[in-house]
Amino acid sequence: IAGITQAPTSQILAAGRRMTLRCTQDMRHNAMYWYRQDLGLGLRLIHYSNTAGTTGKGEVPDGYSVSRANTDDFPLTLASAVPSQTSVYFCASSEGGADTDTQYFGPGTRLTVL
Amino acid sequence: GQNIDQPTEMTATEGAIVQINCTYQTSGFNGLFWYQQHAGEAPTFLSYNVLDGLEEKGRFSSFLSRSKGYSYLLLKELQMKDSASYLCAVLRGDYKLSFGAGTTVTVRA
Repeated sequence: IAGITQAPTSQILAAGRRMTLRCTQDMRHNAMYWYRQDLGLGLRLIHYSNTAGTTGKGEVPDGYSVSRANTDDFPLTLASAVPSQTSVYFCASSEGGADTDTQYFGPGTRLTVL
Repeated sequence: GQNIDQPTEMTATEGAIVQINCTYQTSGFNGLFWYQQHAGEAPTFLSYNVLDGLEEKGRFSSFLSRSKGYSYLLLKELQMKDSASYLCAVLRGDYKLSFGAGTTVTVRA
């Protein structure tokens, strides 16, 4: 069982370019999340999806969009990348709807915007 | 806003005990998680507390006091492989996680 996979592992991107980070889980979890992790700031929620077909905004959604066409996939798109979006991006998933809703994280994508 | 505080760094000797404190003020509370994150890797789940008291899991224990907005993670019999960042995260009233910045623990021989 792979759990959660993310692609690419790392990417260097020119400012202004469009980029999609991919996330796939095989645990049939209902809920999925995208976080960014920056030094000294901890993990911050960008967008989330409680179930396939629905999405919601987290703490830092500006400049990012997501879609949830099916249970397994939750891509994150940067429409026009800016240097402040340089970060490590983690996708996570959880069963959803439970009080003890543990989130499980993918290996991350390290993105550098120049 | 959400406020979760934990120390930035701690250093301890192999075989010793280290206690990582976490204080929080959040919009609602549905539990507190501790995650371990080795450098360059994903966070991995360590513990979850929703009721006051101590939860013990092998060498790791986690404590919660909801009235004080306080938790700690206790690492006993430290090993070199315990060198990592430890993230405190609160499950808010909207069932979303708010994370602290993390505590980097360095274990020295």
